[in-house]
Order: sequence, then C-alpha cells, then structure tokens
Amino acid sequence: EVHLVESGGGLVQPGGSLRLSCVGSGFTFSNYWMGWVRQAPGKGLEWVAIIKQDESETFSVDSVKGRFTISRDNAKNSLFLQMNSLKADDTAVYYCARVEETTATTSDAFDIWGRGTVVTVSS
Amino acid sequence: SSDLTQPPSVSVSPGQTASVTCSGAKLENKYVSWYQQRPGQSPVLVIYLDRKRPSGIPERFSGSNSGNTATLTIRESQAVDEADYYCQAWDGIHYNVFGTGTKVTVL
Repeated sequence: EVHLVESGGGLVQPGGSLRLSCVGSGFTFSNYWMGWVRQAPGKGLEWVAIIKQDESETFSVDSVKGRFTISRDNAKNSLFLQMNSLKADDTAVYYCARVEETTATTSDAFDIWGRGTVVTVSS
Repeated sequence: SSDLTQPPSVSVSPGQTASVTCSGAKLENKYVSWYQQRPGQSPVLVIYLDRKRPSGIPERFSGSNSGNTATLTIRESQAVDEADYYCQAWDGIHYNVFGTGTKVTVL
C-alpha cells in the first residue's frame, strides 16, 4: 500500500528553523514529482513547494521564497522542507503529497497525501 | 497570482445533485483538480485533468471546465459526501494555487 509519513513538526519561536521530513513507501519514490501543501488552523489549503524527480527543478510560493527550501533523497525515499526565519503566519499542518505521474506536465494533481505534521510558530 | 474563487458553502438534500463551482481567469485554458477533505482528515483527490476520476472514486463524482468556471458535480449525494472541497490549478508552470474551498452539507 502507498504511504507518505511526515515528521519534524513542533513548536518554534519566531525567527527559528525547522526541518520537515516525509518518507514514502509502496511506490518508486524516485519516479515522482513531490510537494508540500499546508493548511493554517481553520483555513484552506495552500500550496508551498514542489520538486522534480532528480531535484533539477524546484518551485515555491512567493511567501516562502528565500526562507524555505525543498529537497529530496531518493536513496532514502525521503522529501524534506527546510524552514528558516519562521513567522507566525507559517503556523499550519504541513502535508507531503505525491504528484500524479500523468499530470506532472499539465497540472500537478496530488494523488497521495500524508497525514500531516503540525508546525506552530509562537513565542 | 491568480485567484480561484469558490462559494463558501453548498447545501444538498440526500439523493440530489450538488454542484461546486471554481472561478478563475481563463480557467478553461488550464487543467483543474478537485479534492475532498473530511473533518480531521487529509485531502483526497477526486477529479484531475478536469474530468478524470482516480481509482476508487465513485462515478457519482464528475468534473467539467468551460470558460472561466470549473464545476465539480456530485450526483445522488450521500451523508459521506459531507466535506470541504477544493479546486486546484496551475498559475504558471508548476506554480499551483488552490481555490478558497466549499463546505458541502448534505441535509
């Protein structure tokens, strides 16, 4: 069965850093684009970042550019999100998600999601 | 960035058809995906490439996209369909945007 499991969330002070991890199983991780999506408490979904299979291309929402870095280690079936200079507005559940392979050139539909990891930025 | 606007809420009677709209500039020139999110759960992909259903999604779910509006249609609505629904599309290659979300209530 296909699974994504996130970890690394927690409580951090404004200006601090966190590194989120996501491990995939049940599929060939290196064949897929992967991404992060977040959801602030009581709010809607917000796309955060996406990365190509070989890390040659990455894209992120403007609000995290220069602060968040997406990366991956295909040998360990792992996706990462390094988050620096965290702000209160970054408080959210962070989901790891897989891009459906036929949509990677048209629309990045996320067909598999993890259960999420909670990030709270507060003093 | 482009906005994708959805109605905050839609109500439907059991067995009837619910329609959730997603509006955005020149949306017909983009492919739209739809997600269902039940309370306390992760999102689930229910429609991609405007109208394709992933394996395991009931045929009651269908999608369309024309002009500036994409539509998710749920026929024969059931209590289990109560959830938040989000559309998603590209705003530039690989720059994704989600819609504002619609709470569907079956009552």
